[in-house]
Amino acid sequence: DAGVIQSPRHEVTEMGQEVTLRCKPISGHDYLFWYRQTMMRGLELLIYFNNNVPIDDSGMPEDRFSAKMPNASFSTLKIQPSEPRDSAVYFCASSLRTSGNREQFFGPGTRLTVL
Amino acid sequence: DQQVKQNSPSLSVQEGRISILNCDYTNSMFDYFLWYKKYPAEGPTFLISISSIKDKNEDGRFTVFLNKSAKHLSLHIVPSQPGDSAVYFCAASGSGYSTLTFGKGTMLLVSP
Repeated sequence: DAGVIQSPRHEVTEMGQEVTLRCKPISGHDYLFWYRQTMMRGLELLIYFNNNVPIDDSGMPEDRFSAKMPNASFSTLKIQPSEPRDSAVYFCASSLRTSGNREQFFGPGTRLTVL
Repeated sequence: DQQVKQNSPSLSVQEGRISILNCDYTNSMFDYFLWYKKYPAEGPTFLISISSIKDKNEDGRFTVFLNKSAKHLSLHIVPSQPGDSAVYFCAASGSGYSTLTFGKGTMLLVSP
């Protein structure tokens, strides 16, 4: 299995621009999670989906952030407009409800820098 | 309010010795705990887990201990190897299947 795939790996943009991060979960997994990692806040959950349906987006910091999962193999996290404080590493993770051990499989992350 | 705390940002250990990483939690509804390992420029990878019905789980050089009354868990690595140098995250999950709440991580450096 290829694991969770994220693109791009690095993104540098200017304040005010739209940023779209992409994620392909592991085939067959029914949960997908978006996290943000910063030095100050550590690894924080932004939103998660179950069977392509958003379940909890209470971690999304502002209305500038939105996420979609149009099908079981693709999800996007969009920031519009982006701000310097959005600079962080964004991880996507997926998991299978019936796996029993609640393990989430993480992608390599997207390092976002907003100038 | 941090529900999962890793109070040591970093830990240095010599190769061959034991590494002990600690984690405290405040939410008594947590019933499943996981440790993740993260190398630079990679995503966290699952290492070992423990259910609240147990107090110990072992996998090779890695052992996790859970003290429910103290709301404390620890990860022991014996013997430590230079390849174990990474950031270790503690995570906790509530009853049933739910999200994971992560600590801020402890950077382990194992020197030869």
